[in-house]
Amino acid sequence: DGGITQSPKYLFRKEGQNVTLSCEQNLNHDAMYWYRQDPGQGLRLIYYSQIVNDFQKGDIAEGYSVSREKKESFPLTVTSAQKNPTAFYLCASSIAGFTGELFFGEGSRLTVL
Amino acid sequence: AQSVTQPDIHITVSEGASLELRCNYSYGATPYLFWYVQSPGQGLQLLLKYFSGDTLVQGIKGFEAEFKRSQSSFNLRKPSVHWSDAAEYFCAVGADNNDMRFGAGTRLTVKP
Repeated sequence: DGGITQSPKYLFRKEGQNVTLSCEQNLNHDAMYWYRQDPGQGLRLIYYSQIVNDFQKGDIAEGYSVSREKKESFPLTVTSAQKNPTAFYLCASSIAGFTGELFFGEGSRLTVL
Repeated sequence: AQSVTQPDIHITVSEGASLELRCNYSYGATPYLFWYVQSPGQGLQLLLKYFSGDTLVQGIKGFEAEFKRSQSSFNLRKPSVHWSDAAEYFCAVGADNNDMRFGAGTRLTVKP
C-alpha cells in the first residue's frame, strides 16, 4: 500500500544529543514537509521541500536540519541547539503543482529526558 | 507568509446538533483553503478544500465549508454531528510554492 512511513513512533533523547526522525514515502510525491505539533499551537512548519536537493525553511527551522537526497526520503534531525524539542512531529507529502492535499504520516513523538 | 486563525480552542456540542468551526486567514493573493481532521495520536486527513469557483464546498463525512472573501473566512459546518466526529480540526491556507500553514486547531467534543 502507498503511504508515508515515519519512524520511530516514540523516541527518547537525552539533552545535548542529536536525533534523526525518518520519513519515507512511496507515493511518488515531489513535495515533502515537516511539521511540529504542540498542544494549543497547532502545526508549525519546520521545513519543506518541493524537489530533490532543495528545501526551504518554515516558521521554526532553528535547531533543526533536513536533507532531500532522494525523492522518497526527507529525514529531520533535531539538533542539540533546539531548546525545547519535546513534541509530536508530523511528516507529509504532496504532488508537484500545488493541490493542497497533504498526505500525513502517523507522527513521531520525541521526548527529551 | 500566509497565516490562519482559529478563534475557538475547544467546542462542545450535543450529538445531533449542528456545528460551525470558525477559520480566518491572512494572505495577499487568492487563497487555497483547507480543513483537515486529526484523531488522537494520528496524522491529519483532508476533509475539503477550496481553490476557486463555487464558494460553498462539500467534503467527506457530511462536512461543508463556505469561503467568504469579504470576511477572510472559511468556516466549517455540519448539520448534525455524530459522536465519531469528536476530533481536532485544523484550517490551513496554502500558496503556489507548496507552502502550507495551519491554524492552532479546534478540539471538538460531542456530548451524548
